[in-house]
Amino acid sequence: QVHLVQSGAEVKKPGASVKVSCKASGYTFTAYHIHWVRQAPGQGLEWVGMITPSTGSTYYAQNFQGRVTMTRDATRDTSTSTVYMELSSLGSEDTAVYYCAKETSATCYFDDWGQGTLVTVSS
Amino acid sequence: QSALTQPPSASGSPGQSVTISCTGTSSDVGGYNLVSWYQQHPGKAPKLLIYEVSKRPSGVPDRFSGSKSDNTASLTVSGLQAEDEADYYCNSYAGSNQGYVFGTGTKVTVL
Repeated sequence: QVHLVQSGAEVKKPGASVKVSCKASGYTFTAYHIHWVRQAPGQGLEWVGMITPSTGSTYYAQNFQGRVTMTRDATRDTSTSTVYMELSSLGSEDTAVYYCAKETSATCYFDDWGQGTLVTVSS
Repeated sequence: QSALTQPPSASGSPGQSVTISCTGTSSDVGGYNLVSWYQQHPGKAPKLLIYEVSKRPSGVPDRFSGSKSDNTASLTVSGLQAEDEADYYCNSYAGSNQGYVFGTGTKVTVL
């Protein structure tokens, strides 16, 4: 059973950073990517970037370059994998639900999604 | 990278069909057969409906179908049911420089 489980809600002050985790289990992790997508309240979906857990390689949307960092846990256990998305210099416009989503390698679509993590930026 | 353009809303009575358009450019929708569609119910994570323009994952009813012409992709929901009331988003790969881009989203109402 495929499963993506994200960390809990966060409240941050403007200018701070937030780090959200996404734990994946239930499938072979040698050939897939994890994407991050956010959704501001009442708004649409926005692609933030992606990481390949097996290699650690990353690819960020231009709108977030310089402010987002995606990393993964180095582990020999190929049955689970945790990736992280850290967003810095937070502003009120970063208040959103952040989703992780799996792309089976080179398919260019998101076939499994985490439950979402609400990040609220407020003074 | 600008969002793909979708109509804000669409509606139909039970049993009818509704078609949602998704307009991009030759750099995204028109340049690749890598358009996917997602359904999102309130408070829930999106769910994959269509990938590679017109393919359905297992478990998705054949009432959902996709197509593409030039820079515009379309999602058709046939035989509308009450549970189809949701937000729908298209997505396209936009090349190695731009990554991925989502549509603006369409709220489908079943009358």
